[in-house]
Amino acid sequence: ELKVEQNPLFLSMQEGKNYTIYCNYSTTSDRLYWYRQDPGKSLESLFVLLSNGAVKQEGRLMASLDTKARLSTLHITAAVHDLSATYFCAAWDSNYQLIWGAGTKLIIKP
Amino acid sequence: KAGVTQTPRYLIKTRGQQVTLSCSPISGHRSVSWYQQTPGQGLQFLFEYFSETQRNKGNFPGRFSGRQFSNSRSEMNVSTLELGDSALYLCASSLRTGLTNTEAFFGQGTRLTVV
Repeated sequence: ELKVEQNPLFLSMQEGKNYTIYCNYSTTSDRLYWYRQDPGKSLESLFVLLSNGAVKQEGRLMASLDTKARLSTLHITAAVHDLSATYFCAAWDSNYQLIWGAGTKLIIKP
Repeated sequence: KAGVTQTPRYLIKTRGQQVTLSCSPISGHRSVSWYQQTPGQGLQFLFEYFSETQRNKGNFPGRFSGRQFSNSRSEMNVSTLELGDSALYLCASSLRTGLTNTEAFFGQGTRLTVV
């Protein structure tokens, strides 16, 4: 049974700082996703990571995947207030079900 | 390209009533999944449909049901509503290739409040 764990669950940081969110998953999954959710809103797809060593970047966000370690990271560089949101990682299990991490609530203070 | 459309966006119902939510996936996507999101439980999988067949079901009581039509549009129904059913219900569509699904795209959700 696939389990996905994120940490930290809550992160408060100052603008301009760097930080990393970690996503561990328990069994083999062929792809890993990162989503963003703003309060009261739906889920917005950020990154799709398909293979070991995959690295994708969009603005101040960079995601990577290490399938051997079953670990994905979402790195935030020089954070700005607009990045405040909840970030989720997810992976498909063998029953076509997306298994979700608990989410990381990120608050970026000016 | 139109995204995933969920209707209605907001709904208020009383306990004991039933509700039907609708989801139109992205054109060409035949896989539709439903999720319930609450502050306490996070994102929980309800069920997934592919080509009008329910492929998988989450751990929810039988009051939660769904179906998918030949045009891939999907509906979910909750009968005998309880206060604890208040949640954001999210629908996601994806393109299944072979034995795997591609990226899931989410609708805006339906915010259900049971009073």
